[in-house]
Amino acid sequence: NAGVTQTPKFRILKIGQSMTLQCTQDMNHNYMYWYRQDPGMGLKLIYYSVGAGITDKGEVPNGYNVSRSTTEDFPLRLELAAPSQTSVYFCASSSMASGGAIDTQYFGPGTRLTVL
Amino acid sequence: AQKITQTQPGMFVQEKEAVTLDCTYDTSDPSYGLFWYKQPSSGEMIFLIYQGSYDQQNATEGRYSLNFQKARKSANLVISASQLGDSAMYFCAMSLRNYGGSQGNLIFGKGTKLSVKP
Repeated sequence: NAGVTQTPKFRILKIGQSMTLQCTQDMNHNYMYWYRQDPGMGLKLIYYSVGAGITDKGEVPNGYNVSRSTTEDFPLRLELAAPSQTSVYFCASSSMASGGAIDTQYFGPGTRLTVL
Repeated sequence: AQKITQTQPGMFVQEKEAVTLDCTYDTSDPSYGLFWYKQPSSGEMIFLIYQGSYDQQNATEGRYSLNFQKARKSANLVISASQLGDSAMYFCAMSLRNYGGSQGNLIFGKGTKLSVKP
């Protein structure tokens, strides 16, 4: 069982370049999330999705876009890379909570992005 | 506003001893979940333990236990019998329920770096 997979593991971009971070989960989870982790900090939510075709902004969405065409995939796109986007990016997923229960999020291994 | 506070940037513990990592939270929502994640130097986020706001008993998972004091809004992680492999960053996180649905976004603290000494 692969869980949550992310590609690439590492990437260096030049200012102004674009790229897509891939995230796939095989647990049939409805909820998917993108977080970024800056050095010495906790994770901050960029975007999330509660199901295919439904996405919404998190705490730090500027400079990013997402789409969710399938349950399994939740790619994150950086359109015009800036040095401030140098960070480690984590994708996570969780199952739909029933009766208001809050389910555990499972994380991918992360993508380390450097923008020079 | 919802917030997680971890006041210990770094902690040292002797191998085989117990250690407590502090976490306080702030929310006015009555329904929430509290999580602890471990992040070793390799970078992955490993789920350790979960406590729901309505759970009557403190959560336990092997050597991990969560000391949940609701009135004080604290959710400290206790690691018993520390091992060298426990050396890592530890993050406390809170998940809120969105009324009308459940979205479960996590709010993280800044983390505590635990170092286990042989």
